[in-house]
Amino acid sequence: GAGVSQSPSNKVTEKGKDVELRCDPISGHTALYWYRQRLGQGLEFLIYFQGNSAPDKSGLPSDRFSAERTGESVSTLTIQRTQQEDSAVYLCASSQSWGREQYFGPGTRLTVT
Amino acid sequence: DAKTTQPPSMDCAEGRAANLPCNHSTISGNEYVYWYRQIHSQGPQYIIHGLKNNETNEMASLIITEDRKSSTLILPHATLRDTAVYYCIVRVGGSVTGTASKLTFGTGTRLQVTL
Repeated sequence: GAGVSQSPSNKVTEKGKDVELRCDPISGHTALYWYRQRLGQGLEFLIYFQGNSAPDKSGLPSDRFSAERTGESVSTLTIQRTQQEDSAVYLCASSQSWGREQYFGPGTRLTVT
Repeated sequence: DAKTTQPPSMDCAEGRAANLPCNHSTISGNEYVYWYRQIHSQGPQYIIHGLKNNETNEMASLIITEDRKSSTLILPHATLRDTAVYYCIVRVGGSVTGTASKLTFGTGTRLQVTL
């Protein structure tokens, strides 16, 4: 079946602009995660959604970052007033529920110039 | 989550078994061992996980020592397409919610499969 999809695959933006990244999880997966991976580094957890519960935002690096999820479907990660240090690959993952293996999308490569 | 230690890199000849070690000496009783890999320019891919028994699936085998302080991921017949960074992660499984579900990736082992 279809895996996790993300769009756009690449995004180049100017410093100070806002960007919106989209994630379509695997159908039926109630849990959705956003991670960030800077060049040559490991994954950094950003935010977690589980069903209709309040999201866990403990990994968001600043108030410029926010994310929303509509029910158990699409999620969007928004970065306001982008900075050069926001340049990274943003990965979305979904799982059937908490504690289950996570399946990752291909990521969105964000470059802030 | 318990910290894991992996060698930074390993080489393996194509067709041979690749044995990737992971130390997790501070693992607690309710923490599972997960393995993911990341092929260049792709998102991480789930491989296998286990609690205390050895596990096998179509991709790999996972051998966990009796004291659970270390484990080995085995790719029985490595191919060039297995060249990737392999991450060993320990985290709480079962009926736990919230940030306990998130994955904390270290630097992993860069496996290079050669002809």
